[in-house]
Amino acid sequence: AQSVSQHNHHVILSEAASLELGCNYSYGGTVNLFWYVQYPGQHLQLLLKYFSGDPLVKGIKGFEAEFIKSKFSFNLRKPSVQWSDTAEYFCAVTKNRDDKIIFGKGTRLHILP
Amino acid sequence: DTAVSQTPKYLVTQMGNDKSIKCEQNLGHDTMYWYKQDSKKFLKIMFSYNNKELIINETVPNRFSPKSPDKAHLNLHINSLELGDSAVYFCASSIRDFDTGELFFGEGSRLTVL
Repeated sequence: AQSVSQHNHHVILSEAASLELGCNYSYGGTVNLFWYVQYPGQHLQLLLKYFSGDPLVKGIKGFEAEFIKSKFSFNLRKPSVQWSDTAEYFCAVTKNRDDKIIFGKGTRLHILP
Repeated sequence: DTAVSQTPKYLVTQMGNDKSIKCEQNLGHDTMYWYKQDSKKFLKIMFSYNNKELIINETVPNRFSPKSPDKAHLNLHINSLELGDSAVYFCASSIRDFDTGELFFGEGSRLTVL
């Protein structure tokens, strides 16, 4: 079965620390990859996406992610986190020409001021 | 203007009741979805409609019935509510364009079944 794995369920960091959240998927072939963020009490919104081209993708708020095809990974990074980055982060995958977007189980990020 | 709007935002009801959640999008998208987010924040797709036609129907009890009167609306009706139905239900929409795949979410409807 197709799946998306986020290995870190809960991450606690201090402000200014560097962040890397892992995401692995199990699809073969061409995929589109996404990171969504859900701030406390809010709806999900797109952080960044990868369809093709440069495997290093830059998103909003200083986030970036790197697609490594050989590792089936799309890890999210930020060099220096802020308290306002406290949120739930979801990795998601869809195969080309497929409406079904599969989400990982999310990683809760808590930034200490 | 809210792009994807859901009503109500909060719903508290007794087991066995029937309830509906409405969703409207003003983005001109062709595809709309219902997702369920459980207490552990796990997001699972329930239904997907493209231009009023059902295209994804995951393993969801038939107590859940989506209805799409037009491509801008996708409502969710739930019969005989059970405790396990308590969750946040998110409506979403996307362009019918496989090169984007980006979802635009509503703010969620928190359903509590007592």
